[in-house]
Amino acid sequence: DTEVTQTPKHLVMGMTNKKSLKCEQHMGHRAMYWYKQKAKKPPELMFVYSYEKLSINESVPSRFSPECPNSSLLNLHLHALQPEDSALYLCASSQGQGDQPQHFGDGTRLSIL
Amino acid sequence: RKEVEQDPGPFNVPEGATVAFNCTYSNSASQSFFWYRQDCRKEPKLLMSVYSSGNEDGRFTAQLNRASQYISLLIRDSKLSDSATYLCVVNGPYNFNKFYFGSGTKLNVKP
Repeated sequence: DTEVTQTPKHLVMGMTNKKSLKCEQHMGHRAMYWYKQKAKKPPELMFVYSYEKLSINESVPSRFSPECPNSSLLNLHLHALQPEDSALYLCASSQGQGDQPQHFGDGTRLSIL
Repeated sequence: RKEVEQDPGPFNVPEGATVAFNCTYSNSASQSFFWYRQDCRKEPKLLMSVYSSGNEDGRFTAQLNRASQYISLLIRDSKLSDSATYLCVVNGPYNFNKFYFGSGTKLNVKP
């Protein structure tokens, strides 16, 4: 069982919809991440929060809006997405220091109609 | 040049075989190194961290060669369940919150 929980597992939305992806971890990790992964490609970093502050934005389009309400929660708000945004969205967390690895949630599979 | 490079494979091996993957990284000051496995349509799962002294976990052995800037993963006595994509991940050196992923190496273990 994963210690990083993502909801929903699957999401189908139209290009005009607004939806949110949610991620939660209770490992006391101080860094949380959003990745986008297309088939047969490695995860592609979108955002990093460190101590609840946005520390990395990999030039992600503004139709993706991250939010970190507290140290355990991470949201990704979606609005006016394009068909090419269909992908697996992965949340991860890490202690954010030293040689500690990331731990991934099992992802949200997003389809844009 | 990519920060992390891997041979995409696929590596097709029979059950019981020994197989090794290498991964090269471009920044000599990189701090931490990891192997993840990812099954089709699933999330990456941490397989092992790679330490300077090398480390072993059952049938899996990971090595780090800082002089040549590569890490390796050796799988002995391959099982059908080892079939997956193996991702090499490198962390740092300037930001512990930035992880660089290789493109992954596909392993198919055949009966």
